[in-house]
Parts: sequence; C-alpha cells; structure tokens
Amino acid sequence: SAVISQKPSRDICQRGTSLTIQCQVDSQVTMMFWYRQQPGQSLTLIATANQGSEATYESGFVIDKFPISRPNLTFSTLTVSNMSPEDSSIYLCSVEERSYEQYFGPGTRLTVT
Amino acid sequence: EDQVTQSPEALRLQEGESSSLNCSYTVSGLRGLFWYRQDPGKGPEFLFTLYSAGEEKEKERLKATLTKKESFLHITAPKPEDSATYLCAVTGGGNKLTFGTGTQLKVEL
Repeated sequence: SAVISQKPSRDICQRGTSLTIQCQVDSQVTMMFWYRQQPGQSLTLIATANQGSEATYESGFVIDKFPISRPNLTFSTLTVSNMSPEDSSIYLCSVEERSYEQYFGPGTRLTVT
Repeated sequence: EDQVTQSPEALRLQEGESSSLNCSYTVSGLRGLFWYRQDPGKGPEFLFTLYSAGEEKEKERLKATLTKKESFLHITAPKPEDSATYLCAVTGGGNKLTFGTGTQLKVEL
C-alpha cells in the first residue's frame, strides 16, 4: 500500500490564526480525502480532493474554513482557517487504492488555545 | 444516510481470552465494509475489506465475517499487542466511508 506522510505531526496554535497541513504520498493516486477526528470520537469526512478539480465538501464543512489544494497526484494541503478551540482535533488524509479501500496517513494533532 | 454502530464501546480481555467485536450497519447498497485498527496518536491501519454476506477474511489472530446486517471481528487468543481501538466503516457507493465510533480493546497479561 501507499506510504503517506503528513506535516506537521502536531501543532499548538492561537485562536484566529490559520494552519496548513501537508499530505504527501509516495505514489500517484487519483482520490485523496481529508478527515477530522475530534477527541474521543470517530472519523468524519471533511472533503474529497481530486487532482485537477475543486474539492467536494461534506455537509457542515465549507471551503472558506477548510480550503484544500491538490496540485498534483501525490500531494494535497488542508488549511484550517480562523481557528477556534473547537477546531482542536486530529486531521487525517487518506488515499483510495482499490475497490474503495482507503489508507491513512499518521495524522496531524492540532490544539487551538 | 449510512449508519454504523459498534459494540461494545470498550472491552477488557485477559491474554488468551477470545472474544468478538460487533459492527451493525445500515447502508443503501453495500459496496464494502472495512475494519481498521487505530493505536493512540496514530492514523487508522487497514485490516480487512468485506464485500458480500458470507465473506470471511483472516489475518493472524483476527477473523472478520459479514452478514447482511452486521460484521464481527473475532479475536482468537489475544495478546497485549492487540490492544487498540478497532474501527468499522462502510461505503454504499461513491467513495465516502462512514465510520463507527470504535471499540477500545485492552488485553491484559
């Protein structure tokens, strides 16, 4: 399976600021996904990012808050904008390899103070 | 809307004490059911995909089974290193995975 890395692995940010999270894959993939995992909860899909097209956002998530870039088939970024303490979560990227199987990166643990 | 319910929320086993985790699902046209393992502070690790009722998959001490309404993850003679949160997810088409809240497994010596 693909090897996925994320940067940063963790960060502590002040409210009102923005953080950009990077996701790098060691092979070309068509579909990349961004998830949020709030403390003690399961994973919630934020958006799907396909190269060459606008990201598709799930209900409750908007582009102004979570802008996504997908410049090529191995890289994507998620920005968490104008952060509040409620944005404190683990943010995960994943890729789809075959038959809907998704493989996840190690995650970025974000704390907003 | 797809739904996934996992039980129990937490499970404590003695080493060697076999048990099963449950994943009940509601989905329109199941395309796949997935099991993941997640260790604290890490991303989910893919374990199995099941596509149709009656299908079974095995990996070391883990065996996943699927019916039309639920899936079981059987753990045979667990070891402390099997301690983790086990997540179940489904997709009914498209590429969206809907996750359950997981079962936290603790295996003690």
